[in-house]
Amino acid sequence: EAGVAQSPRYKIIEKRQSVAFWCNPISGHATLYWYQQILGQGPKLLIQFQNNGVVDDSQLPKDRFSAERLKGVDSTLKIQPAKLEDSAVYLCASSPWGGTAYEQYFGPGTRLTVT
Amino acid sequence: GIQVEQSPPDLILQEGANSTLRCNFSDSVNNLQWFHQNPWGQLINLFYIPSGTKQNGRLSATTVATERYSLLYISSSQTTDSGVYFCAVSTGNQFYFGTGTSLTVIP
Repeated sequence: EAGVAQSPRYKIIEKRQSVAFWCNPISGHATLYWYQQILGQGPKLLIQFQNNGVVDDSQLPKDRFSAERLKGVDSTLKIQPAKLEDSAVYLCASSPWGGTAYEQYFGPGTRLTVT
Repeated sequence: GIQVEQSPPDLILQEGANSTLRCNFSDSVNNLQWFHQNPWGQLINLFYIPSGTKQNGRLSATTVATERYSLLYISSSQTTDSGVYFCAVSTGNQFYFGTGTSLTVIP
């Protein structure tokens, strides 16, 4: 079974530029998550989708971050404009069922550096 | 939100030694997972263990939900066990990661 795929793996941009990350979850997984992991910290949940609907985006900085999951499969996370403090690893995860009680599987992450 | 604290924050072991990592959480949860983040940043599932005890090779985990803690046991450690170990809990639709334990196994 293929794992969670993410691209690109690395991205370097200047502040005020925009950037987009892509995630393809494990086939059949209904729930998809985007996390931000700042160096030295644990991941922080940004947004959770079940199929193509948003379940929770309470920690997403909506003035600059947006995410979508069209057709309930792939997802993109966008930052516009980027700030220096957005430098982090962006992790995508998926789980086989909706709700709170199920096991998450993580992709390799996209390492973003904002200069 | 729920506070998730892990101890110890850092651990250095000689290859072959055993260790116990602890995860304390501040409120009732309905999901708990242990992950190993390898030096390349990949988060690898170790256990999905909201309660009870599980074993997988040299690793085992126990969660006592009523007392709000979980333990991860590593026996006969190997250099490939090095990395950061996270526990993550959820309640409702929110997921919270702990502060992590950084493990270094030296040959």
